[in-house]
Amino acid sequence: ELKVEQNPLFLSMQEGKNYTIYCNYSTTSDRLYWYRQDPGKSLESLFVLLSNGAVKQEGRLMASLDTKARLSTLHITAAVHDLSATYFCAVPPSYNTDKLIFGTGTRLQVFP
Amino acid sequence: DSGVTQTPKHLITATGQRVTLRCSPRSGDLSVYWYQQSLDQGLQFLIHYYNGEERAKGNILERFSAQQFPDLHSELNLSSLELGDSALYFCASSVGNRRHYGYTFGSGTRLTVV
Repeated sequence: ELKVEQNPLFLSMQEGKNYTIYCNYSTTSDRLYWYRQDPGKSLESLFVLLSNGAVKQEGRLMASLDTKARLSTLHITAAVHDLSATYFCAVPPSYNTDKLIFGTGTRLQVFP
Repeated sequence: DSGVTQTPKHLITATGQRVTLRCSPRSGDLSVYWYQQSLDQGLQFLIHYYNGEERAKGNILERFSAQQFPDLHSELNLSSLELGDSALYFCASSVGNRRHYGYTFGSGTRLTVV
């Protein structure tokens, strides 16, 4: 059974600092997704990573995927308050399925 | 607006009752997925429909059922409700098997069982 773990679970960081969120998954998968969720709101798609070595960047966020290590990272550069949210990674449990198994989420709080 | 419409946004009901949650997928999307989000279980996959057919089931209770209609909207029926069913229920849609574009989530239905 696929397990998706994120760490840290909580992250409090100062504006302007850099940090990385890690997503580990237990079985082979060919793709990985990152989502953002504001409190009580919907999930917003951030990145779709489709192959080993994939790297995508949008603003202050950069995501990468290492399928051999079963690891994805979400790097935050020079954090700003607007990035405060919960970030989820999600992985399909097999190649021929479209359902997603979500990680536990990382709650990020950026303070001045 | 993501293009995925869920109604109602909030629902408060008593234990033992039955409710129906509705989802209209984004235009052109054939797949609909239902997820449950709760504090103790996190985000859990419930069920996936593609063009009217059930494709995959997750940790969906027998008291729960779903269907996708010819116009592609979907309904999730929850019956014999228990306090533990209180959660945020999300619907997501995608363009069939074209996974490259990911999944678009609706704004959710917050169900409170009292």
